[in-house]
Amino acid sequence: ETGVTQTPRHLVMGMTNKKSLKCEQHLGHNAMYWYKQSAKKPLELMFVYNFKEQTENNSVPSRFSPECPNSSHLFLHLHTLQPEDSALYLCASSQEGWLGANVLTFGAGSRLTVL
Amino acid sequence: AQTVTQSQPEMSVQEAETVTLSCTYDTSENNYYLFWYKQPPSRQMILVIRQEAYKQQNATENRFSVNFQKAAKSFSLKISDSQLGDTAMYFCAYVIQGAQKLVFGQGTRLTINP
Repeated sequence: ETGVTQTPRHLVMGMTNKKSLKCEQHLGHNAMYWYKQSAKKPLELMFVYNFKEQTENNSVPSRFSPECPNSSHLFLHLHTLQPEDSALYLCASSQEGWLGANVLTFGAGSRLTVL
Repeated sequence: AQTVTQSQPEMSVQEAETVTLSCTYDTSENNYYLFWYKQPPSRQMILVIRQEAYKQQNATENRFSVNFQKAAKSFSLKISDSQLGDTAMYFCAYVIQGAQKLVFGQGTRLTINP
């Protein structure tokens, strides 16, 4: 596979469930990102990992827990979510964690519905 | 705070027409980059075009070009000879050179009609 792959594509969970979103990139990039895309709102940056180290946490509630075991894989662990957390969660990667000269490559997203 | 504003929530044109999407941004920085991303129904965001603020020449990628007005903080996207496959959400975005946070606008839903 090439590019940025996200699984699952769709996820429905109850507020007491624990689930995880997975992202894998095959581009040899060193930085990975989680973005949240809600209806009628701009994309919101959640987390950034650069060379496996978390370098940005954009005031995200602790019910979202990221994990980056290596530069190719990124997880978002979900527990005790709220219905307002329903959204499209986009993973992205870049060659390095400073943007401009480096650009983001996105996955197709995981559509999360919290009941 | 840096903000990006796309004033057109939706647009619709006929195939083969030219369409221009508007974007304005607010920043006090001098070195930054601007982007247009496309998100088709498949949901994957695809980079359309990038502009470096220090370059006066407008970026062009095939049928896509920008009109970058730095003083006015305006960055519009022109799509020439529009095609059905151009139907998508289009997002304007901004980043300070070297920063990690790309700031996005709310998007413009563009529909190309046959």
